[in-house]
Amino acid sequence: SAVISQKPSRDICQRGTSLTIQCQVDSQVTMMFWYRQQPGQSLTLIATANQGSEATYESGFVIDKFPISRPNLTFSTLTVSNMSPEDSSIYLCSVGTSGQSEGYTFGSGTRLTVV
Amino acid sequence: SQQGEEDPQALSIQEGENATMNCSYKTSINNLQWYRQNSGRGLVHLILIRSNEREKHSGRLRVTLDTSKKSSSLLITASRAADTASYFCAPSGNTPLVFGKGTRLSVIA
Repeated sequence: SAVISQKPSRDICQRGTSLTIQCQVDSQVTMMFWYRQQPGQSLTLIATANQGSEATYESGFVIDKFPISRPNLTFSTLTVSNMSPEDSSIYLCSVGTSGQSEGYTFGSGTRLTVV
Repeated sequence: SQQGEEDPQALSIQEGENATMNCSYKTSINNLQWYRQNSGRGLVHLILIRSNEREKHSGRLRVTLDTSKKSSSLLITASRAADTASYFCAPSGNTPLVFGKGTRLSVIA
């Protein structure tokens, strides 16, 4: 299965600033996803990162707040823009196979605290 | 996307006992997946059972699937303190996986 390197592992940021999270995969993958896990909650899907085109966002998430890039089949970034304390969460990237015939692989997560 | 609903929400057992978690879902699936999450870390894929399978084993894990009842169960036998984690089921169709609230398992040494 794929190996994911997600950076940074944690950060403390001032409100109003932005943070970009990187996700590097050791092999080409079809599907890449970004999830958010708020304190004490389950994972919520933010968007599907599409290679070479705009990401597909889930209800409640918008590109202006969470711009996503995916320039190739092994790399993606998620930016959390104009942060507020409510954005304090763990952000996780994940990769999967087309048709979901195998399980997803998750990065180790980025623990973001906004002060 | 559809999410599974895990039951119970929390489970506390003694080391060596078996732990059973259940998952229900609403619509037809290609497969159903189980994941584990240790505190504050990424999810780890445990096992995938296809819609035409009824039971699957992997080490101390046993998963069953009943598509007529739209339910699945995960059994962890001879539990260890290291099994303490949250467990999530993910019914899989043709859309990205979504996750329910999970079952928080505590194994007491």
